[in-house]
Amino acid sequence: NAGVTQTPKFRVLKTGQSMTLLCAQDMNHEYMYWYRQDPGMGLRLIHYSVGEGTTAKGEVPDGYNVSRLKKQNFLLGLESAAPSQTSVYFCASSYGEAQPQHFGDGTRLSIL
Amino acid sequence: DQQVKQNSPSLSVQEGRISILNCDYTNSMFDYFLWYKKYPAEGPTFLISISSIKDKNEDGRFTVFLNKSAKHLSLHIVPSQPGDSAVYFCAATNYQLIWGAGTKLIIKP
Repeated sequence: NAGVTQTPKFRVLKTGQSMTLLCAQDMNHEYMYWYRQDPGMGLRLIHYSVGEGTTAKGEVPDGYNVSRLKKQNFLLGLESAAPSQTSVYFCASSYGEAQPQHFGDGTRLSIL
Repeated sequence: DQQVKQNSPSLSVQEGRISILNCDYTNSMFDYFLWYKKYPAEGPTFLISISSIKDKNEDGRFTVFLNKSAKHLSLHIVPSQPGDSAVYFCAATNYQLIWGAGTKLIIKP
């Protein structure tokens, strides 16, 4: 009964390094999302996907890329990490657009 | 421009009493509203929702009220229990979910 699984849970990067965050869901959801959460702010949508092979920009897409090659996986990439990308990243999935989203437990990312 | 605002960063309530969490929004196009609960080191979990065609929705101890003319919604928890201590987020959508900054609820024994 995994739901939404995010890996890794923690990561420290140096400025300019690249990395990929993995999100996997086992609920056969069409929609998947990547958010970031910063202190004193709500979750902000980075990118989302409405189905396998599709991606779209959210509120704060700059500096990130995503891919949805398989329905159950949604990858978030940082090509050249910057200190401003230090944040907690959450992945979520849902059946449809206005349906409740199911979240992973987050990835805490620090960029030095 | 914050379209969804939770003006109280924190709220402390005695166990057994009613907890009222508030949320204001600015976009009259929002047609669906949700409340999520978040414990430390975990992702948010869905709690309760309400469509803009309704003004109230109940689920056990949780009730959400929507006042469209005031662009205001509230979450009532009664009676409050220690396990309710968490951060509560309201969110609103017409096609994309917009989140408030959250209110930390502390239930005192």
